[in-house]
Amino acid sequence: AQRVTQPEKLLSVFKGAPVELKCNYSYSGSPELFWYVQYSRQRLQLLLRHISRESIKGFTADLNKGETSFHLKKPFAQEEDSAMYYCALRWGDDKIIFGKGTRLHILP
Amino acid sequence: GAVVSQHPSRVICKSGTSVKIECRSLDFQATTMFWYRQFPKKSLMLMATSNEGSKATYEQGVEKDKFLINHASLTLSTLTVTSAHPEDSSFYICSAMINNEQFFGPGTRLTVL
Repeated sequence: AQRVTQPEKLLSVFKGAPVELKCNYSYSGSPELFWYVQYSRQRLQLLLRHISRESIKGFTADLNKGETSFHLKKPFAQEEDSAMYYCALRWGDDKIIFGKGTRLHILP
Repeated sequence: GAVVSQHPSRVICKSGTSVKIECRSLDFQATTMFWYRQFPKKSLMLMATSNEGSKATYEQGVEKDKFLINHASLTLSTLTVTSAHPEDSSFYICSAMINNEQFFGPGTRLTVL
C-alpha cells in the first residue's frame, strides 16, 4: 500500500541554520513526489515537485529511490519559512496521499 | 495561479442536520476535483474524487450516502454532509486539478453540536 511518512511533527531550527524535513515513502510503482506548504492562515500550496528538479524559495528536494526518501532541504533557514510542510505522493488516477506534516519553527 | 474557493469557511450545525459545502474553481474549468478531510493531528485524507457529469469515486471507508458529492458543472463541486453527527466535525478541503497540478481551497471548518 502507498504510504508517506514524515517522522517529525515539529522541527525547530535557528535562523540561518540548515533545514532538513524528512519524508519517506512506500510505493511499488514509479513515484511522483511533492512538497506542499501551508503558511499560517493560508491555504495549502505546492512548494515543489521532484519531476521539475527546481529550487523554490531556496528549498530543494532530491528523490532517492534507494532509500525511498524525498527530504526537503534548505541551507539557511529564514523566519518566513515557518509553516506546516506536507510531503505527498501522487499515484493512480491523480490521487494524492499526504504525510502527517511537519511544523517548521524558525527561531530568531 | 489558479484559485479555488470554498464556502462557507466555517459552519456550526446541530446534530442530525445536513450541511452543504461548495468548492468553486475561479477562472478555469476543472473536470476533476477532490475532497479531503483533515483529522486533528493527522494528515489530509482523501475522501473522494469528483468528476464533472459523473458519479464521484469514494475512497475505502468513506460512506457515500453520508457524504454526498455533486459535480454539476466544470467550476462547482459540492459536498453535503447528511445527518451530521459530532464525529463529523472536521476540516474539509477541496482541490481542483488543472494542468496536472492540484490547487487547494482554503478549507471549511465544520462543527457539529
